[in-house]
Amino acid sequence: EVQLMESGGGLVQPGRSLRLSCVVSGFSLDDYAMHWVRQAPGKGLEWVSGISWNSANIAYADSVKGRFTISRDNAENSLYLQMDSLGVEDTAFYYCVRDTKTRIVVAGYLDFWGQGTRVTVSS
Amino acid sequence: DLQMTQSPAALYASVGDRVTITCRASQSIGTWLAWYQQKPGKAPKLLIYKASSLENGVSSRFSGSGSGTEFTLTISSLQADDFATYYCLQYNTFRTFGQGTKVEIK
Repeated sequence: EVQLMESGGGLVQPGRSLRLSCVVSGFSLDDYAMHWVRQAPGKGLEWVSGISWNSANIAYADSVKGRFTISRDNAENSLYLQMDSLGVEDTAFYYCVRDTKTRIVVAGYLDFWGQGTRVTVSS
Repeated sequence: DLQMTQSPAALYASVGDRVTITCRASQSIGTWLAWYQQKPGKAPKLLIYKASSLENGVSSRFSGSGSGTEFTLTISSLQADDFATYYCLQYNTFRTFGQGTKVEIK
């Protein structure tokens, strides 16, 4: 059974950092590109970042570029999101999501989602 | 940047109604479009991919159509379990979601 489990969310002050993790099981992580998608309270889905199977291709939404860093460790079955210089606008549920392709620059849709981890940025 | 415009933002319908949701892309995306259903407090669930392909296990009352810049999700006969928010996703150029359509009980 495919499972994705996010962790690392919590309450953080503006300007501080947080690192999210996602541990996967039921499939081989190095066969898939992966993404982070977020959802602010009462709002829609926003794609945040994606990374190819070998980390060769990485992309970010303009809203997080220069502040967030996506990474992965296939041997540890893990995906990460380092979030720096957090602002109140980053408050959201963050989902770890699997792509159907190995690379983000080819047309792969998102098939399996984790349950999400809540990030609250507030003073 | 590629934008996805989804409409309507909300609609009110009754069980048994036929429901149509539209997504428009700011440039051609071929058929690289997916549809998701999300219920409160839950992760999104994949319904349709490649504009019209039904995901395994999804009810056949859901169907998708379109290509290029205009796409449609249709629920042929709305059931109680279908009241939810629906999102489109383009995956031609990185990934972009539509703003969502909330389907509510009339």
